[in-house]
Order: sequence, then structure tokens, then C-alpha cells
Amino acid sequence: KAGVTQTPRYLIKTRGQQVTLSCSPISGHRSVSWYQQTPGQGLQFLFEYFSETQRNKGNFPGRFSGRQFSNSRSEMNVSTLELGDSALYLCASSLGLGGTQYFGPGTRLLVL
Amino acid sequence: DQQVKQNSPSLSVQEGRISILNCDYTNSMFDYFLWYKKYPAEGPTFLISISSIKDKNEDGRFTVFLNKSAKHLSLHIVPSQPGDSAVYFCAASYHSGAGSYQLTFGKGTKLSVIP
Repeated sequence: KAGVTQTPRYLIKTRGQQVTLSCSPISGHRSVSWYQQTPGQGLQFLFEYFSETQRNKGNFPGRFSGRQFSNSRSEMNVSTLELGDSALYLCASSLGLGGTQYFGPGTRLLVL
Repeated sequence: DQQVKQNSPSLSVQEGRISILNCDYTNSMFDYFLWYKKYPAEGPTFLISISSIKDKNEDGRFTVFLNKSAKHLSLHIVPSQPGDSAVYFCAASYHSGAGSYQLTFGKGTKLSVIP
């Protein structure tokens, strides 16, 4: 089975721009979660989607949003980028009934 | 408030010896615990998990122990190999409503296995 894939792998943006990241889960997985990893804060939960609905949201500003499509693929969007948004953004998929989440390789975002 | 803590930022172990990585948690609602291994610029790789109804789970060289009364879990790697050198994250989850299970991570322990 193919693992979780994320595109693009690397991205450079400037302050004020917006960005869209994409995640394709493991086949058969209906839950997609997004996490942000920074050196200072570690891995932090952004939000989770299950069957095209956001089930849970972490403590991030409204500039961070996401969506999930009927094929379980998910996108996350960050608007009005700030320097502090520079991070590794990780997507994880699971069956959605609890249990193990499997991570993709991440998208490294650099905001200049 | 850090709900999952890994108090050792780094650990060095000789090849062939046992590596013990520790994790403490504060939220008694956590009912599922996982360990992930991470290399730089890659996503975390799932290693092993344990449900709160168990106190031990083994998978090859990896064993996870859970002490619910102490809110403590540990990962034992025996024998340690140079390829085990990576950052290890402890994570915990619980049913947070509407069927969602979000992971809360510790800040990681960097394991170095010396040949």
C-alpha cells in the first residue's frame, strides 16, 4: 500500500501571501489530520477531517484552514503568511476510528 | 501546559546495549499511546503503540511499558543499533468528541547509538 503523500515538499513564500498544501492519505483511510512542527513548539495539532467534515481543531488562528474531498484527499490553506508560519507541515491519515496515525513526509514552508 | 513530557532532550547509548526513552503525561483521559521515530526533514514513522488497558506491548526489538498510576510510559530498544539514531516522539490520544482522536506530542528525545 502506498503511504501518505504530500505536495509540494518544499515551498518558499513571502509575508502576506497565501499557500495551499496537499495531502493524499493511505488508501482506505478516511481521517486526515494536519500538524505543524517548529523547533520551539514541537509538533502541534492543527485540525482533523473525516468524511469531508472538520471534526476537531487545534489552537491556531483562523488564517489556517483546510478541507477534505470526497476521495479523502485534503488540503490546508494558510492566508496572509507571517514569518512565524515557517515550519514543517505534516499530514497524517488513519481509519478515523482511533488508533494509529501514519504520517507523510511533510511540506517544508519558508516564509521570507 | 505541556500534557506530554519527554524530559530528556538527548540520550547516547553504545551499540548492542539497551536504550530506554521515557515519557510522562498529565491528562488522565489519554487512552492510547504511541512512539514515533523521526529523521530530519522527514515525517514521523510509527514504531509501536499501547492501549491503556495494557501495561506492555512488544514488537521485535521494541517494547513499550505503560504505568497508568504514575502516568508514565517508556520505550525500550534492545539491542540498540546505529540505525536507531533519530529523534523519538512520544504521543498520546483520547476521544475528544465527535469521534476525533488528536495526537498530543512530547518534544522528543534525540537518541544517538554509538558504534
